[in-house]
Amino acid sequence: DIQMTQSPSTLSASVGDRVTITCRASQSISSWLAWYQQKPGKAPKLLIYKASSLESGVPSRFSGSGSGTEFTLTISSLQPDDFATYYCQQYNSYSPLTFGPGTKVDIK
Amino acid sequence: EVQLVESGGVVVQPGGSLRLSCAASGFTFDDYAMHWVRQAPGKGLEWVSLISWDGGSTYYADSVKGRFTISRDNSKNSLYLQMNSLRAEDTALYYCAKVSGIAVADPFDYWGQGTLVTVSS
Repeated sequence: DIQMTQSPSTLSASVGDRVTITCRASQSISSWLAWYQQKPGKAPKLLIYKASSLESGVPSRFSGSGSGTEFTLTISSLQPDDFATYYCQQYNSYSPLTFGPGTKVDIK
Repeated sequence: EVQLVESGGVVVQPGGSLRLSCAASGFTFDDYAMHWVRQAPGKGLEWVSLISWDGGSTYYADSVKGRFTISRDNSKNSLYLQMNSLRAEDTALYYCAKVSGIAVADPFDYWGQGTLVTVSS
């Protein structure tokens, strides 16, 4: 199984801050990585697919980069609506698909 | 508008069985693979199972293999998860999710609101 890790587990930031979340895979997954945002009581929302492609309707302040085993999600200027938990997910191997443990972005 | 509506979650005793359903609308259901993903209270996301567009291929997480069965009825635009031999650790909010592309494991562009399964005596 491909294990996914994320850092940090919690991130305290202010509106307007540039925020970066790192996701690492236990083996190469090429660019088969997605990022999701989840708010309390809501289903996850797809933000980024294929490591760096922005899902339709997602604000351009979100961006993704990386390939192989190391990936980042960057929010260029944090907005009030962005306080949430973020998950990475590999889809290089679907037996099983695996998610990272999540990174909670909260208000400093 | 794409909609996925899960149902069937209840409180069930350990060792019991349950069938979850997911009613899909707003897209051509039989064009897409479908998945179940669960989230234990206060925890992260865990992939559970996937089924190909025609039901011909199914895959499971090791944690549910042999106990859960995924199926679909394309004539009814519905996805199912039969859950047997339930354990306390199966307690979670269960989401159905639609893949975004033609591959069975493409990222999930639509999710339901989830249905809560609680395994407790």
